[in-house]
Amino acid sequence: QVQLVQSGAGVKKPGASLNVSCRASGYTFIAYYIHWVRQAPGQGLEWMGWINPNTGGTNYAQNFQGRVTMTRDKSISTAYMELTRLRSDDTAVYYCARDFRGSADAFDIWGQGTMVTVSS
Amino acid sequence: EIVLTQSPATLSLSPGERATLSCRASQSVRTSLVWYQQKPGQAPRLLIYDASNRATGFPARFSGSGSGTDFTLTISSLEPEDFAVYYCQQRSDWPITFGQGTRLEIK
Repeated sequence: QVQLVQSGAGVKKPGASLNVSCRASGYTFIAYYIHWVRQAPGQGLEWMGWINPNTGGTNYAQNFQGRVTMTRDKSISTAYMELTRLRSDDTAVYYCARDFRGSADAFDIWGQGTMVTVSS
Repeated sequence: EIVLTQSPATLSLSPGERATLSCRASQSVRTSLVWYQQKPGQAPRLLIYDASNRATGFPARFSGSGSGTDFTLTISSLEPEDFAVYYCQQRSDWPITFGQGTRLEIK
């Protein structure tokens, strides 16, 4: 079936970097943009940016410019999100999600989420 | 950026009742409005796109309406599995933004 499977949870120290992977299966990976969305504990959803798996092109939210990098490996249908210089307020569940029609549309398939805790 | 304001923050209703959730945008998003349902410990699930189109897997008791700045998600007769948090999202302009959510709880 169509799914996105993310890498596991982790604890990071302030100032460190986090790397989350998102492996797609059941559909043509390069045909759909992948977005990253995060959710702090008990809070709402925050869009971080997208990557075009075909071209590698990216678009990042202003809030994360300079700290986030989204990449992909077409050979293994996997997208990656790296966030650097972590702070305590980066503690959140990080989701990847498939854009079902373009680069700014609705997200029809979501990964299971990756919980990242930033703590010294 | 476009701010989405959802109301109420919490809605307490009983099964069988009608639920009306609101999402207001700080500027027009035309019909580029999406609704998601999120249950505890789960990822959000696409519910409505283009303001009024129901996504696969959701029954007809869910409906969306509105355009411009005012949008409504209606659940005609609540079932126990409908109690969750609902988020709206706009895709009209960058950055993509979400509302803060409405928690629909059992009364």
